[in-house]
Amino acid sequence: EVQLLESGGDLVQPGGSLRLSCAASGFTFSSYAMNWVRQAPGKGLEWVSVITGSGDNTYYADSAEGRFTISRDNSKNTLYLQMNSLSVEDTAAYYCARDFRPATLADAFDIWGQGTMVTVSS
Amino acid sequence: DIQMTQSPSTLSASVGDRVTITCRASQSISRWLAWYQQKPGKAPKLLIYEASTVERGVPSRFSGSGSGTEFNLTISSLQPDDFATYHCQQYNGLYSATFGGGTKVEIK
Repeated sequence: EVQLLESGGDLVQPGGSLRLSCAASGFTFSSYAMNWVRQAPGKGLEWVSVITGSGDNTYYADSAEGRFTISRDNSKNTLYLQMNSLSVEDTAAYYCARDFRPATLADAFDIWGQGTMVTVSS
Repeated sequence: DIQMTQSPSTLSASVGDRVTITCRASQSISRWLAWYQQKPGKAPKLLIYEASTVERGVPSRFSGSGSGTEFNLTISSLQPDDFATYHCQQYNGLYSATFGGGTKVEIK
């Protein structure tokens, strides 16, 4: 079964850091670009970042640029999001999501994890 | 950046109704648009991609149309399982994606 499972969400103080993980199974992980998408409580979806299948190229939303780092370990079938300098505005459920087609970069997202909650509060 | 505007933000309807949700892009995105369904506490589910292609396993009552800057998601006969929030997403940008604000379909 194709599956994504996030972990690492937690309560963190403003200015703090957190690393999220997304474990993939059931497909050839290295063939697909992977994304992070977040959703603040009661709000819409916001794309955060994407990484190519090889990990060579990464792109960020303006809200994440310079503070967040996306990475992947294809030997472990795992995607990461390192988040630094967190603010209350980063409070959200964070989802990892797979690009629909292999070897593409801008695409629909066909597989989503269940989400992990990040709460930034003092 | 490409902005996506969904309307309405909330829609009240009854079982059996035909329902249409609209998504407008701030510039042409050709047909690079997807629709998702999301239920409370759950991840979004892909319904339609490339504006009108229905994902495998999605009921045939769901359809998508449009190109350029205006797109529609139509549910031909609303079922109890369809009460949810629907999101559009453009993926015309080379390395990014943008979502609409979402449309909540409520029971009338």
